[in-house]
Amino acid sequence: GAVVSQHPSRVICKSGTSVKIECRSLDFQATTMFWYRQFPKQSLMLMATSNEGSKATYEQGVEKDKFLINHASLTLSTLTVTSAHPEDSSFYICSARDPGADTEAFFGQGTRLTVV
Amino acid sequence: SQKIEQNSEALNIQEGKTATLTCNYTNYSPAYLQWYRQDPGRGPVFLLLIRENEKEKRKERLKVTFDTTLKQSLFHITASQPADSATYLCAPLEDQGGKLIFGQGTELSVKP
Repeated sequence: GAVVSQHPSRVICKSGTSVKIECRSLDFQATTMFWYRQFPKQSLMLMATSNEGSKATYEQGVEKDKFLINHASLTLSTLTVTSAHPEDSSFYICSARDPGADTEAFFGQGTRLTVV
Repeated sequence: SQKIEQNSEALNIQEGKTATLTCNYTNYSPAYLQWYRQDPGRGPVFLLLIRENEKEKRKERLKVTFDTTLKQSLFHITASQPADSATYLCAPLEDQGGKLIFGQGTELSVKP
Protein backbone atom coordinates (compact mmCIF):
# COMPACT_ATOMS: atom_id res chain seq x y z
CA GLY A 1 0.00 0.00 0.00
CA ALA A 2 0.90 3.65 -0.17
CA VAL A 3 3.31 5.06 2.42
CA VAL A 4 3.05 8.29 4.36
CA SER A 5 6.11 9.29 6.33
CA GLN A 6 5.97 11.72 9.23
CA HIS A 7 8.94 13.35 10.90
CA PRO A 8 10.00 13.71 13.66
CA SER A 9 8.42 10.86 15.61
CA ARG A 10 9.14 12.59 18.91
CA VAL A 11 10.04 16.15 19.81
CA ILE A 12 10.48 18.01 23.05
CA CYS A 13 10.50 21.79 22.95
CA LYS A 14 10.46 24.68 25.36
CA SER A 15 7.39 26.84 25.95
CA GLY A 16 7.25 29.71 23.53
CA THR A 17 9.20 28.07 20.74
CA SER A 18 7.84 26.75 17.44
CA VAL A 19 7.96 23.20 16.16
CA LYS A 20 7.61 22.00 12.59
CA ILE A 21 6.27 18.56 11.70
CA GLU A 22 6.64 17.16 8.19
CA CYS A 23 4.33 14.77 6.40
CA ARG A 24 5.42 13.19 3.12
CA SER A 25 3.67 10.86 0.72
CA LEU A 26 6.47 8.63 -0.50
CA ASP A 27 5.06 6.85 -3.51
CA PHE A 28 2.08 8.88 -4.59
CA GLN A 29 1.04 12.47 -5.04
CA ALA A 30 -1.42 13.83 -2.54
CA THR A 31 -3.34 16.97 -3.41
CA THR A 32 -4.98 16.79 -0.02
CA MET A 33 -3.56 15.83 3.35
CA PHE A 34 -5.21 15.86 6.75
CA TRP A 35 -3.83 16.76 10.16
CA TYR A 36 -5.15 15.25 13.38
CA ARG A 37 -4.29 15.50 17.03
CA GLN A 38 -4.94 12.86 19.64
CA PHE A 39 -4.90 13.13 23.41
CA PRO A 40 -4.31 10.02 25.54
CA LYS A 41 -7.21 7.57 25.48
CA GLN A 42 -9.15 9.80 23.09
CA SER A 43 -9.91 9.56 19.41
CA LEU A 44 -8.30 11.43 16.58
CA MET A 45 -9.58 14.94 16.22
CA LEU A 46 -9.37 16.46 12.76
CA MET A 47 -7.59 19.81 12.90
CA ALA A 48 -7.37 20.84 9.28
CA THR A 49 -7.35 19.81 5.66
CA SER A 50 -4.20 20.76 3.82
CA ASN A 51 -4.62 21.59 0.13
CA GLU A 52 -1.67 21.70 -2.24
CA GLY A 53 -1.11 25.19 -3.55
CA SER A 54 -3.84 26.83 -1.51
CA LYS A 55 -4.79 27.68 2.03
CA ALA A 56 -5.63 24.99 4.53
CA THR A 57 -9.18 24.53 5.75
CA TYR A 58 -9.36 24.49 9.53
CA GLU A 59 -11.97 22.78 11.67
CA GLN A 60 -14.03 24.83 14.04
CA GLY A 61 -12.14 25.76 17.17
CA VAL A 62 -8.67 25.24 15.73
CA GLU A 63 -6.54 28.38 15.75
CA LYS A 64 -5.09 28.88 12.29
CA ASP A 65 -2.46 31.32 13.54
CA LYS A 66 -1.22 28.81 16.06
CA PHE A 67 -1.20 25.77 13.82
CA LEU A 68 0.31 26.85 10.52
CA ILE A 69 -0.10 24.46 7.66
CA ASN A 70 1.82 24.61 4.42
CA HIS A 71 1.31 22.25 1.50
CA ALA A 72 3.95 23.45 -0.89
CA SER A 73 4.21 20.36 -3.07
CA LEU A 74 2.19 17.29 -3.98
CA THR A 75 4.23 15.15 -1.62
CA LEU A 76 4.85 17.39 1.39
CA SER A 77 2.69 19.11 3.97
CA THR A 78 4.02 20.72 7.13
CA LEU A 79 2.36 21.64 10.40
CA THR A 80 4.06 24.27 12.52
CA VAL A 81 2.95 24.67 16.11
CA THR A 82 3.83 28.27 16.92
CA SER A 83 4.55 29.62 20.38
CA ALA A 84 3.98 26.20 21.85
CA HIS A 85 2.57 25.79 25.34
CA PRO A 86 2.36 22.70 27.55
CA GLU A 87 -1.32 22.25 26.62
CA ASP A 88 -0.21 21.76 23.00
CA SER A 89 1.53 18.57 24.08
CA SER A 90 -0.21 15.83 22.14
CA PHE A 91 0.14 13.19 19.44
CA TYR A 92 -0.12 14.73 15.96
CA ILE A 93 -0.85 12.52 12.96
CA CYS A 94 -1.13 13.28 9.27
CA SER A 95 -2.90 11.31 6.59
CA ALA A 96 -3.30 11.37 2.85
CA ARG A 97 -5.28 9.57 0.20
CA ASP A 98 -3.75 8.05 -2.89
CA PRO A 99 -5.89 9.28 -5.80
CA GLY A 100 -5.15 6.02 -7.58
CA ALA A 101 -6.55 3.95 -4.75
CA ASP A 102 -10.00 3.79 -3.19
CA THR A 103 -11.16 6.05 -0.39
CA GLU A 104 -8.86 4.60 2.24
CA ALA A 105 -6.51 6.99 3.99
CA PHE A 106 -2.87 6.29 4.75
CA PHE A 107 -1.50 7.63 7.98
CA GLY A 108 1.91 8.73 9.10
CA GLN A 109 3.42 7.17 12.18
CA GLY A 110 2.59 10.23 14.26
CA THR A 111 4.62 12.81 16.18
CA ARG A 112 4.64 12.92 19.95
CA LEU A 113 5.08 16.56 20.94
CA THR A 114 6.00 17.44 24.50
CA VAL A 115 6.21 21.11 25.46
CA VAL A 116 8.11 21.78 28.68
CA SER B 1 -24.86 17.85 14.76
CA GLN B 2 -23.10 14.82 13.34
CA LYS B 3 -22.19 12.16 15.82
CA ILE B 4 -20.31 8.85 15.69
CA GLU B 5 -20.59 6.51 18.65
CA GLN B 6 -18.62 3.37 19.33
CA ASN B 7 -18.66 1.09 22.38
CA SER B 8 -16.94 3.38 24.84
CA GLU B 9 -15.97 0.60 27.22
CA ALA B 10 -13.06 -1.67 26.47
CA LEU B 11 -13.98 -5.09 25.15
CA ASN B 12 -12.24 -8.05 26.77
CA ILE B 13 -12.63 -11.46 25.19
CA GLN B 14 -11.00 -14.86 25.26
CA GLU B 15 -8.79 -16.02 22.43
CA GLY B 16 -10.72 -17.94 19.79
CA LYS B 17 -14.01 -16.12 20.42
CA THR B 18 -15.66 -13.64 18.07
CA ALA B 19 -15.32 -9.95 18.89
CA THR B 20 -18.16 -7.69 17.81
CA LEU B 21 -17.72 -3.93 17.77
CA THR B 22 -20.48 -1.40 17.12
CA CYS B 23 -20.47 1.91 15.31
CA ASN B 24 -23.60 4.07 15.34
CA TYR B 25 -23.90 7.39 13.58
CA THR B 26 -26.43 10.22 13.52
CA ASN B 27 -26.97 13.08 11.10
CA TYR B 28 -24.82 11.37 8.50
CA SER B 29 -25.72 9.90 5.15
CA PRO B 30 -22.54 8.01 4.43
CA ALA B 31 -21.87 6.50 1.07
CA TYR B 32 -19.02 4.54 2.66
CA LEU B 33 -18.00 3.41 6.09
CA GLN B 34 -14.41 2.56 6.93
CA TRP B 35 -12.81 0.66 9.78
CA TYR B 36 -9.26 1.23 11.00
CA ARG B 37 -7.01 -0.33 13.57
CA GLN B 38 -4.77 1.75 15.81
CA ASP B 39 -2.00 0.42 18.02
CA PRO B 40 -0.66 2.56 20.91
CA GLY B 41 1.63 5.34 19.71
CA ARG B 42 1.01 4.58 16.03
CA GLY B 43 -1.12 5.99 13.25
CA PRO B 44 -4.31 4.12 12.24
CA VAL B 45 -4.16 1.42 9.61
CA PHE B 46 -7.00 0.84 7.15
CA LEU B 47 -8.82 -2.49 7.47
CA LEU B 48 -12.03 -2.52 5.52
CA LEU B 49 -14.41 -0.31 3.60
CA ILE B 50 -18.08 -1.03 3.00
CA ARG B 51 -20.34 0.87 0.63
CA GLU B 52 -23.93 1.91 1.31
CA ASN B 53 -25.27 -0.59 -1.19
CA GLU B 54 -23.37 -3.47 0.46
CA LYS B 55 -24.85 -5.28 3.42
CA GLU B 56 -21.75 -7.22 4.33
CA LYS B 57 -18.06 -7.35 3.51
CA ARG B 58 -15.46 -9.94 4.49
CA LYS B 59 -11.71 -10.05 4.56
CA GLU B 60 -10.05 -13.10 6.08
CA ARG B 61 -11.24 -13.19 9.73
CA LEU B 62 -12.90 -9.77 9.50
CA LYS B 63 -16.53 -9.10 8.67
CA VAL B 64 -18.30 -5.76 8.46
CA THR B 65 -22.01 -5.12 8.12
CA PHE B 66 -23.67 -1.84 7.23
CA ASP B 67 -27.30 -1.08 7.99
CA THR B 68 -28.25 2.35 6.65
CA THR B 69 -31.72 2.08 8.16
CA LEU B 70 -30.40 1.48 11.66
CA LYS B 71 -27.47 3.84 10.94
CA GLN B 72 -25.12 1.24 12.26
CA SER B 73 -22.10 -0.80 11.29
CA LEU B 74 -20.92 -3.92 13.07
CA PHE B 75 -17.32 -5.11 12.91
CA HIS B 76 -16.59 -8.75 13.70
CA ILE B 77 -13.28 -10.51 14.26
CA THR B 78 -13.70 -14.27 14.27
CA ALA B 79 -11.26 -16.71 15.92
CA SER B 80 -9.71 -13.75 17.72
CA GLN B 81 -6.05 -13.78 18.67
CA PRO B 82 -4.03 -11.76 21.22
CA ALA B 83 -2.42 -10.00 18.24
CA ASP B 84 -5.86 -8.53 17.45
CA SER B 85 -5.66 -6.46 20.63
CA ALA B 86 -5.81 -2.81 19.57
CA THR B 87 -8.21 0.12 19.29
CA TYR B 88 -10.64 -0.05 16.38
CA LEU B 89 -12.01 3.11 14.81
CA CYS B 90 -14.93 3.61 12.47
CA ALA B 91 -15.31 6.49 10.06
CA PRO B 92 -18.43 7.17 7.97
CA LEU B 93 -17.68 8.97 4.74
CA GLU B 94 -20.31 10.89 2.83
CA ASP B 95 -18.35 11.23 -0.40
CA GLN B 96 -15.17 9.85 -1.87
CA GLY B 97 -13.12 12.99 -1.36
CA GLY B 98 -14.59 13.92 2.00
CA LYS B 99 -12.67 14.32 5.23
CA LEU B 100 -12.44 11.38 7.63
CA ILE B 101 -14.00 11.93 11.03
CA PHE B 102 -13.55 9.10 13.49
CA GLY B 103 -15.55 7.67 16.33
CA GLN B 104 -13.86 7.54 19.72
CA GLY B 105 -12.74 3.97 19.11
CA THR B 106 -13.22 0.71 20.97
CA GLU B 107 -10.27 -0.86 22.73
CA LEU B 108 -10.22 -4.61 22.23
CA SER B 109 -8.19 -6.90 24.44
CA VAL B 110 -7.92 -10.59 23.54
CA LYS B 111 -6.66 -12.76 26.35
CA PRO B 112 -4.83 -16.04 25.67
